[in-house]
Amino acid sequence: AQSVTQLDSQVPVFEEAPVELRCNYSSSVSVYLFWYVQYPNQGLQLLLKYLSGSTLVKGINGFEAEFNKSQTSFHLRKPSVHISDTAEYFCAVSANSGYALNFGKGTSLLVTP
Amino acid sequence: EADIYQTPRYLVIGTGKKITLECSQTMGHDKMYWYQQDPGMELHLIHYSYGVNSTEKGDLSSESTVSRIRTEHFPLTLESARPSHTSQYLCASSVRGSGSTGELFFGEGSRLTVL
Repeated sequence: AQSVTQLDSQVPVFEEAPVELRCNYSSSVSVYLFWYVQYPNQGLQLLLKYLSGSTLVKGINGFEAEFNKSQTSFHLRKPSVHISDTAEYFCAVSANSGYALNFGKGTSLLVTP
Repeated sequence: EADIYQTPRYLVIGTGKKITLECSQTMGHDKMYWYQQDPGMELHLIHYSYGVNSTEKGDLSSESTVSRIRTEHFPLTLESARPSHTSQYLCASSVRGSGSTGELFFGEGSRLTVL
């Protein structure tokens, strides 16, 4: 079975600063990896996904993530955050056979002026 | 954009009432899911379905029930709501079969408050 650990429950950061949200996974098989964002009182929206190929994946809103197989990590980064990036961020993994996603517990990103 | 819809978005009801949360998707996805999300943010899978007339319980035990009579519709019902059922309920769908990556498409959520 696959599992996900999001290492930080809350990440406070100032506007225009860079940010990294950490995600580690465990799996005995090849995986697909996802980052979702959830704004207040909304559902989850896909930010980006790694399926295969290039280990650097670019997503919406200027976010990117790097798949590191040796470290079993899929950290999310943005070089300069905006107030509007304040939200909850979820990392998720599925086996490449397409079974249901396993989600991490989420990281709350708080961007302040 | 994902085409998955949940109604109602917000519901406040009294203890003991029967409620149904509706979820519909227009993407033709075979797989559908219900997640419960408490204020602590963590998502818990409570029900899923792999197709018409298929329903399974998820990782978190729930007193709710679901049905899947049509591919596009996956309603969740609570026969007698209690304050402990107060939560946000998220519906999602995904593609089934070869080529599926497990990617989920989510609705906007239904926030239930039981007084």
